[in-house]
Amino acid sequence: GAVVSQHPSWVICKSGTSVKIECRSLDFQATTMFWYRQFPKQSLMLMATSNEGSKATYEQGVEKDKFLINHASLTLSTLTVTSAHPEDSSFYICSASFRGETQYFGPGTRLLVL
Amino acid sequence: AQSVTQPDIHITVSEGASLELRCNYSYGATPYLFWYVQSPGQGLQLLLKYFSGDTLVQGIKGFEAEFKRSQSSFNLRKPSVHWSDAAEYFCAVGLSTDSWGKFQFGAGTQVVVTP
Repeated sequence: GAVVSQHPSWVICKSGTSVKIECRSLDFQATTMFWYRQFPKQSLMLMATSNEGSKATYEQGVEKDKFLINHASLTLSTLTVTSAHPEDSSFYICSASFRGETQYFGPGTRLLVL
Repeated sequence: AQSVTQPDIHITVSEGASLELRCNYSYGATPYLFWYVQSPGQGLQLLLKYFSGDTLVQGIKGFEAEFKRSQSSFNLRKPSVHWSDAAEYFCAVGLSTDSWGKFQFGAGTQVVVTP
C-alpha cells in the first residue's frame, strides 16, 4: 500500500508555544490530505480536509486559527498547533487520499503540552 | 444522517479461534467501505476495502469482509486469530458523493487475544 509519513512522531512542548507537524505522501501524489485527532481509547475525529493549493476546510468546532493547515505541494501538508495548551495534548494523525477513494494513514504524532 | 456503528466495544478471543467484528452503516448512497487496524500508538493500516463487485472481499493478514446491502453491514472475519491480531479495529465509510474522500469512522472494537 501507499506510504504516508509524519514528523515528528513525538513532541513535548511548553504551554504557549507553537508546534508544526508534517505529513508526507512518499510514493504518490495526494490532492487531498486529512487531519485527525484521537483521544485515548476513542475513534478518530476529523479536524480538517486539506486540499493542495487551497484553503483547508475545517470541521465544525475546530478552531482554524489555532490549527493552521498548509498544503503546499501534492506530497506535503503541515498542521501547526498555535499557542498550544495542555488540552491540545493528543494523538494527531494525517491521511492522504489516493484517487479520492482510499485513505492511507500516517503513523501519528503524539503531542504533549506541559 | 450518515453513521457507522460498531456494536462491540471489546472482544476477547482465544488464539486460533475465529473472529468476527461487526459493522453497520447508515448511508443513502452506495458507500465505499473500509476496515483499518490500529496497533497501540500507531496510525491506521488498511486491511481491506469494498467499492463494488464481489461482496466478499479479501484483505491482508488473512482477513475478509462481506458486504450485505440488505443488512447494511460490512462484517470483518478471520478464521484463525494470531496473537499479533490484538489491536483496535475501525470500520469506515467513505462519503464519496457529497464529501469526496471524507471518511466516517466507527467507534472501534478492541480485540484481545488470549493464549
